[in-house]
Amino acid sequence: QKEVEQNSGPLSVPEGAIASLNCTYSDRGSQSFFWYRQYSGKSPELIMSIYSNGDKEDGRFTAQLNKASQYVSLLIRDSQPSDSATYLCAVRSSKIIFGSGTRLSIRP
Amino acid sequence: GAVVSQHPSRVICKSGTSVKIECRSLDFQATTMFWYRQFPKQSLMLMATSNEGSKATYEQGVEKDKFLINHASLTLSTLTVTSAHPEDSSFYICSARDQNRGTNTEAFFGQGTRLTVV
Repeated sequence: QKEVEQNSGPLSVPEGAIASLNCTYSDRGSQSFFWYRQYSGKSPELIMSIYSNGDKEDGRFTAQLNKASQYVSLLIRDSQPSDSATYLCAVRSSKIIFGSGTRLSIRP
Repeated sequence: GAVVSQHPSRVICKSGTSVKIECRSLDFQATTMFWYRQFPKQSLMLMATSNEGSKATYEQGVEKDKFLINHASLTLSTLTVTSAHPEDSSFYICSARDQNRGTNTEAFFGQGTRLTVV
């Protein structure tokens, strides 16, 4: 079992709709959870961080964490073509482990 | 957010030569920096954890004699790919955390270095 699992996609979402990205992790001792966005050929950039159960909202982005289910998600509201990228879920216990990423495509 | 600068952004070298990549934290101190490698269409794979003033911790399967890491100051870590071969061609990315912000903080990434060995 991979330590951090994501659906590789591609996930295609119409412009203006909500994009939902999911991630599961195996280490119950994990304490910090992050979503990064990576454009092709570029380095990842931090979108959201979440540390406690529940929802955390920042603009069009909402991160959701459920430690009991070992599940973290990212919702993107009012999706824009510029949101098309690969989204990496990262989890930290003793070190930061990345999922393989989900490719998101926003179609006009 | 904190700024991490990585240099060079792109390098092409001949097989058998060595390449040094620098990672600097510009506005914070980082006792720990991380080096990742990313092959096309794959995720970031942690290669090693760089510790200021001590030896780096390498992940399983990463050759410490081939990927030399030096973390001589609180703001600079270097990765040297020695005797590079075409299979070492990849995107190398460093990251660092601002230690003064506590342990529960995100890591910030450098811009990455695209290494091509010909």
